Amino acid sequence: EVQLVESGGGWVQPGGSLRLSCAASGFTFSSYWMTWVRQAPGIGLEWVANMNQDGSKRYYVDSVKGRFTISRDNAKNSLYLQMNSLRVEDTAVYYCARDGGWYAHDFWGQGTLVSVSS
Amino acid sequence: QSALTQPASVSGSPGQSITISCTGTSSDVGGYKYVSWYQQHPGKAPKLMIREVSNRPSGVSNRFSGSKSGNTASLTISGLQAEDEADYYCSSYTSNITPVFGGGTRLTVL
Repeated sequence: EVQLVESGGGWVQPGGSLRLSCAASGFTFSSYWMTWVRQAPGIGLEWVANMNQDGSKRYYVDSVKGRFTISRDNAKNSLYLQMNSLRVEDTAVYYCARDGGWYAHDFWGQGTLVSVSS
Repeated sequence: QSALTQPASVSGSPGQSITISCTGTSSDVGGYKYVSWYQQHPGKAPKLMIREVSNRPSGVSNRFSGSKSGNTASLTISGLQAEDEADYYCSSYTSNITPVFGGGTRLTVL
């Protein structure tokens, strides 16, 4: 059974940092692109970043470029999102998702809440 | 990249059919066959319902179907059931080599 379990969310002040983790199981993690998607309270989904199988390709939404870094450790079946210089508008539930091919995200974690406020 | 345009809400009675539209541009929906649809119940993670415009993943009811014409993709749900009440999001690959989501549509089953 495919499982994605996010952790690392919490409350942080503006300008602070957090590192999200996503533990994957039930599939060959190293064979898939992986993605972070976020959802602000009461708002729709926003694609944040993704990474290819070996980490050589990474893409970000413009609003997080230079502040967020996506990474992975295939030996640990884990995906990460380092978030620096956090802003109030980064407040959201962050989901880890598997890209089943051509941006069809076929499995999602339960999400982890990041709250940025003073 | 601007979000794809979806109606904020649609509604239908049990047994009826409804269609949700997703309008983009030639740089996303119109230019590629990589449109996906997701269902999200309150407090839950999204679930993939349609991929590559019209393909249903294993386990998804055949009451759900997808299509595309020009810059607009559509999700049709036939034989509406109470459990279909949820938010629905479209997503498309774009010329920026990144995906974009639609703003979401709240489906109410009357």
